[in-house]
Amino acid sequence: GENVEQHPSTLSVQEGDSAVIKCTYSDSASNYFPWYKQELGKRPQLIIDIRSNVGEKKDQRIAVTLNKTAKHFSLHITETQPEDSAVYFCAASINTGGFKTIFGAGTRLFVKA
Amino acid sequence: GAVVSQHPSRVICKSGTSVKIECRSLDFQATTMFWYRQFPKQSLMLMATSNEGSKATYEQGVEKDKFLINHASLTLSTLTVTSAHPEDSSFYICSAMRRDRSNEQYFGPGTRLTVT
Repeated sequence: GENVEQHPSTLSVQEGDSAVIKCTYSDSASNYFPWYKQELGKRPQLIIDIRSNVGEKKDQRIAVTLNKTAKHFSLHITETQPEDSAVYFCAASINTGGFKTIFGAGTRLFVKA
Repeated sequence: GAVVSQHPSRVICKSGTSVKIECRSLDFQATTMFWYRQFPKQSLMLMATSNEGSKATYEQGVEKDKFLINHASLTLSTLTVTSAHPEDSSFYICSAMRRDRSNEQYFGPGTRLTVT
């Protein structure tokens, strides 16, 4: 089955710096890669996603890149702010007669003011 | 749009009793809903996939007789934890997949279950 690995597990940056979180997946049939932000005690919120027919997508300070050949995808946050502090999860979704989404272990991001 | 509600938000029950958790998509139809369990500081573990009008598909290691799932309509799925034990205490989160946008999942706020 699909396996998603996420690194780093913890990331601490200064306000204004960039943050990069990387994920790899194992099943080449996965075709949808969402990223979720989860604040303490709250639900995961979809912040950006990318489909397998696209290599890069950007939304203001957030961008995601996908390398299908290497089975890598990354989240880039520029000009980080303290409110970006949260746990970020990558995921890979596959449709094999039914949809299934497998999540990475999560990255705890701390943005220091 | 894409609002998912979950009820209750917190529940405390005694060992041996059953607890029902509801997951509703409020402004869209969801042919598929998912139930996850999340331990503190850990990732989301998929428990089962719930399809409207059919039996749920359970992940390996999840007891279907203990975690009963019903997906009665395009906007409602329920998870019943039967004969609860303290080790069932956890954060349970549902998500709903929009019928009109494949793959996109939107999460409910979660239910904190404590079994005493």
